[in-house]
Amino acid sequence: DGGITQSPKYLFRKEGQNVTLSCEQNLNHDAMYWYRQDPGQGLRLIYYSQIVNDFQKGDIAEGYSVSREKKESFPLTVTSAQKNPTAFYLCASSMSFGGGELFFGEGSRLTVL
Amino acid sequence: EDKVVQSPLSLVVHEGDTVTLNCSYEVTNFRSLLWYKQEKKAPTFLFMLTSSGIEKKSGRLSSILDKKELFSILNITATQTGDSAVYLCAACEYGNKLVFGAGTILRVKS
Repeated sequence: DGGITQSPKYLFRKEGQNVTLSCEQNLNHDAMYWYRQDPGQGLRLIYYSQIVNDFQKGDIAEGYSVSREKKESFPLTVTSAQKNPTAFYLCASSMSFGGGELFFGEGSRLTVL
Repeated sequence: EDKVVQSPLSLVVHEGDTVTLNCSYEVTNFRSLLWYKQEKKAPTFLFMLTSSGIEKKSGRLSSILDKKELFSILNITATQTGDSAVYLCAACEYGNKLVFGAGTILRVKS
């Protein structure tokens, strides 16, 4: 079945450690996105990629990094520079950037102890 | 600054009630407005609205957009416990990212 797979679903890390969240899609979509969701807040855009080998900062990119070496894959690294990394992270894709409907993965919940 | 505001932030209703969720937006170069339902993890797509005054329906859910007053509503009739979720509204600009509201938490009691 076509869709977006995020892993791991749950992740615990100590402060000061970098962690990488995986996002893979088999929808043949050009655009991919990473959002962060905190309680009582909407989804906030961290990074997005319009096409392979290209990515742009979103509204809250500080402390995060991404890569887009393959069309299907858009991993997110939460670095030790991110001051408040505990959150729910959602990966999404769309056929083209700004094309409207996003398809979401199941999310990854990161807890930093 | 682009923004999307949803109201109410949360509400509790009984099964069978009808609810109306509101979404107002201020974005430049507005293209479309989207509604999503988020139950536990991944938001699932409900509607995309691009034209004013044309209602979209899917079962007990319906939505309409007013581009003059810059808002949209999502109606749910004869609510069921399975409708309990966070409902997200997002405004899409041409060639740009989606701007999400904070969501409305709906709880339907049996």
